[in-house]
Amino acid sequence: DAGITQSPRHKVTETGTPVTLRCHQTENHRYMYWYRQDPGHGLRLIHYSYGVKDTDKGEVSDGYSVSRSKTEDFLLTLESATSSQTSVYFCAISSGQNTEAFFGQGTRLTVV
Amino acid sequence: AQSVSQHNHHVILSEAASLELGCNYSYGGTVNLFWYVQYPGQHLQLLLKYFSGDPLVKGIKGFEAEFIKSKFSFNLRKPSVQWSDTAEYFCAVNKLAGGSYIPTFGRGTSLIVHP
Repeated sequence: DAGITQSPRHKVTETGTPVTLRCHQTENHRYMYWYRQDPGHGLRLIHYSYGVKDTDKGEVSDGYSVSRSKTEDFLLTLESATSSQTSVYFCAISSGQNTEAFFGQGTRLTVV
Repeated sequence: AQSVSQHNHHVILSEAASLELGCNYSYGGTVNLFWYVQYPGQHLQLLLKYFSGDPLVKGIKGFEAEFIKSKFSFNLRKPSVQWSDTAEYFCAVNKLAGGSYIPTFGRGTSLIVHP
């Protein structure tokens, strides 16, 4: 398996609180992605990064922000968590040369 | 617009039955196509990929897929499924956006194989 670590693996938080999820890679890949997985929707892209401090929005970016200050770390922040953000969040990496993506183990987030 | 469409959302089979999962993509130009598998409680992992050359590609665990350019399709097949193939299957294309390749996924097909 590719060296991708997501933390935390599980989190329960209250509505209105900020939450930060972390993705750490040891592969030195340029591209990093955050997806959310929901039944019936597959994986939907939230944000992605194509380099340090270079990020862009995906199709479901509202309510989320990201930061990448180092090649190996990509943070996803829910600015004010809502129940609709209850989901499983996956981080993925790729070399960006139109190759396959490698996924982390996922973070199950529950907003109550 | 949906770039990847998977026709079957839920498939239930008995062991030894044959499997075919449909995938169509709506993306012009050169495409790299993928099938990923997600076993229960696990992350996605690559099953097989097509970049160029022989349109019939073979992956792990006896899976194969055929790229038919004229039909914009990349269907996944397995001649004889096993209980351990129970999983969710995702078709994906790397969509070029602003100079970056973005893995873009279909909604997935849940496969249940009864022993």
